[in-house]
Amino acid sequence: NAGVTQTPKFQVLKTGQSMTLQCAQDMNHNSMYWYRQDPGMGLRLIYYSASEGTTDKGEVPNGYNVSRLNKREFSLRLESAAPSQTSVYFCASSERQIQAFFGQGTRLTVV
Amino acid sequence: GENVEQHPSTLSVQEGDSAVIKCTYSDSASNYFPWYKQELGKRPQLIIDIRSNVGEKKDQRIAVTLNKTAKHFSLHITETQPEDSAVYFCAAQGDYKLSFGAGTTVTVRA
Repeated sequence: NAGVTQTPKFQVLKTGQSMTLQCAQDMNHNSMYWYRQDPGMGLRLIYYSASEGTTDKGEVPNGYNVSRLNKREFSLRLESAAPSQTSVYFCASSERQIQAFFGQGTRLTVV
Repeated sequence: GENVEQHPSTLSVQEGDSAVIKCTYSDSASNYFPWYKQELGKRPQLIIDIRSNVGEKKDQRIAVTLNKTAKHFSLHITETQPEDSAVYFCAAQGDYKLSFGAGTTVTVRA
C-alpha cells in the first residue's frame, strides 16, 4: 500500500521549458489536491479535484494546468516554467472532511 | 474563498512547557479543521482534527479548541518534548477545498 506517489522527486528546468508532475493514489479517494510550499507561505492550493471528472482553481492557479486522468491520477503541468515557480510541490488525496494524505513532494528549481 | 491566518509564525518553548498556536478562518461554511505536523524534509502528516459540532478534542498531549462564532481554533501541546520540534499547519475545509495557514515553526529547547 503505497499511499500517494509523486514523480519526479527532484527536477531542474530552464525558464520556458514545460513539464508535468505526476501523482497517483491507491486509497480510492475521490478528492485530490496540488499545493506548492514556499518558505514562510505555508501550503498554497494550486488546483484541486473534488471527484473524477472535475477540477477547480485554488489560490494560486496562474501558470499551471491540471488533468484528473482517472480516479487514481492527478497531474500538474507547467507549460512555460518561470523562476517564480521554483518551489516544493505536494500532491494530496482525501475523502471529504477526512484526513488528507500527502505525497513525498517534488523539489522543482527553475533557472 | 477561504482565508486561514495562523499565529505565531515561530514559537520557541522550553522542554516541558506548553505551546499554543492560533488560527482564524474567514468562510463560515468551513466545518472541518485539521492540524498537520511537518518535520524537516518530510511530508505533512495529520496529528489531530476537529469538526464544527465539537468544541474541544484531546489526544494525549495534544488538544484542539474551536470557536465557530469567532471563527478561530487553536492547537495546544502540553509537556513539550524535543520531538515536538517541527512546522505545524492549521487548515479549514468546507465541502472539498482544503486551505492551509502559513505554518508555525516550533522549537523545543532542551
